[in-house]
Amino acid sequence: ILNVEQSPQSLHVQEGDSTNFTCSFPSSNFYALHWYRWETAKSPEALFVMTLNGDEKKKGRISATLNTKEGYSYLYIKGSQPEDSATYLCAFWDAGNMLTFGGGTRLMVKP
Amino acid sequence: EAGVAQSPRYKIIEKRQSVAFWCNPISGHATLYWYQQILGQGPKLLIQFQNNGVVDDSQLPKDRFSAERLKGVDSTLKIQPAKLEDSAVYLCASSLGAGGGGETQYFGPGTRLLVL
Repeated sequence: ILNVEQSPQSLHVQEGDSTNFTCSFPSSNFYALHWYRWETAKSPEALFVMTLNGDEKKKGRISATLNTKEGYSYLYIKGSQPEDSATYLCAFWDAGNMLTFGGGTRLMVKP
Repeated sequence: EAGVAQSPRYKIIEKRQSVAFWCNPISGHATLYWYQQILGQGPKLLIQFQNNGVVDDSQLPKDRFSAERLKGVDSTLKIQPAKLEDSAVYLCASSLGAGGGGETQYFGPGTRLLVL
């Protein structure tokens, strides 16, 4: 079982604040990193699939960066809105095709 | 395009009872995954099918859990007998190709199981 950690575990921000959180994963044997958003009572939704060191991806106000050499990825949300409230999960794929999810960061955006 | 369907959405059973969950993946998706997500933890892969063959079931507790994907489409996951620690959300996901890190997975809404 691989060690994939997300921090913080939970986060409360005010509407309009920008925020970011971290996914840490093993720096060896990297294949891909996925980010998902999981709103309560809904299906987890894929945000990004990242495969190359230095990758930066953006979807609206959400963006992500990837550093495979040091084993971390950041997810940024610019100008948080209440509808951004969700659990954000990262999932690490190694070159042996083993998948490990982090524990998630629960974001709550107050109006 | 219809998403991944799962049923039931909620289930409450007593320990030692049996339970089954059903998943219908996105049409044409070759790979299907079952995950167990215990409160406060990330989802854990239980089993991965490619068409109707098992690719990875290394984390499936085979003494009580079983899964099948007949005809390479729908899948069922069964727990028999259930234990208290099986209380979790069971997620089904599918992907278009052979699976693996480069593919986006599409998730269903999950089945929330409570074992009393």
